[in-house]
Amino acid sequence: AQSVTQLGSHVSVSEGALVLLRCNYSSSVPPYLFWYVQYPNQGLQLLLKYTSAATLVKGINGFEAEFKKSETSFHLTKPSAHMSDAAEYFCAATPHGSSNTGKLIFGQGTTLQVKP
Amino acid sequence: DVKVTQSSRYLVKRTGEKVFLECVQDMDHENMFWYRQDPGLGLRLIYFSYDVKMKEKGDIPEGYSVSREKKERFSLILESASTNQTSMYLCASSNPAGGSSYEQYFGPGTRLTVT
Repeated sequence: AQSVTQLGSHVSVSEGALVLLRCNYSSSVPPYLFWYVQYPNQGLQLLLKYTSAATLVKGINGFEAEFKKSETSFHLTKPSAHMSDAAEYFCAATPHGSSNTGKLIFGQGTTLQVKP
Repeated sequence: DVKVTQSSRYLVKRTGEKVFLECVQDMDHENMFWYRQDPGLGLRLIYFSYDVKMKEKGDIPEGYSVSREKKERFSLILESASTNQTSMYLCASSNPAGGSSYEQYFGPGTRLTVT
């Protein structure tokens, strides 16, 4: 079964430092890939998505992610962390092709802490 | 602007009560989903619906049922609430048939506490 793995349930960075959140997927066919952000007591908001066009995807709030087929990865980065980036981040995937129901497979989530 | 709304942000119910969680989307989406979110477990799919009156079980349907009488509304029902159903419940919608990339749009969530 396809799965999405986020390495590290908690990541802590200093304000201004690089943010790197890791996501790997398992699929023989590259899926569509998503990063969502969830602020406390809110729903999930789409940060960015990969849909087999450009491998480097830019999203909102200065985040970007690079799809690497050889590594089955879709890591999320931001050059300089801001206090407002503190949130939980979810990587998700859906296979494109036959019998897709539009379901997403979510990773376990990574909580990003930003220290002043 | 796309919108998914959920009837309550916070809900407290007693064990054994029948609980209704309502979700409404205004995007004319075909698919709607109910998830529960628990610390360390991520999002787990309870049920989803791909059309009016159509539904399929997700990964953890036990103890839940759903209803979709109108395209814009998807209800989650806890037939007899139990304390292990205390959780954050998230509703989402999507429209893969519309040529989009299957991205889901989420509501703000309902934090349910069963005492």
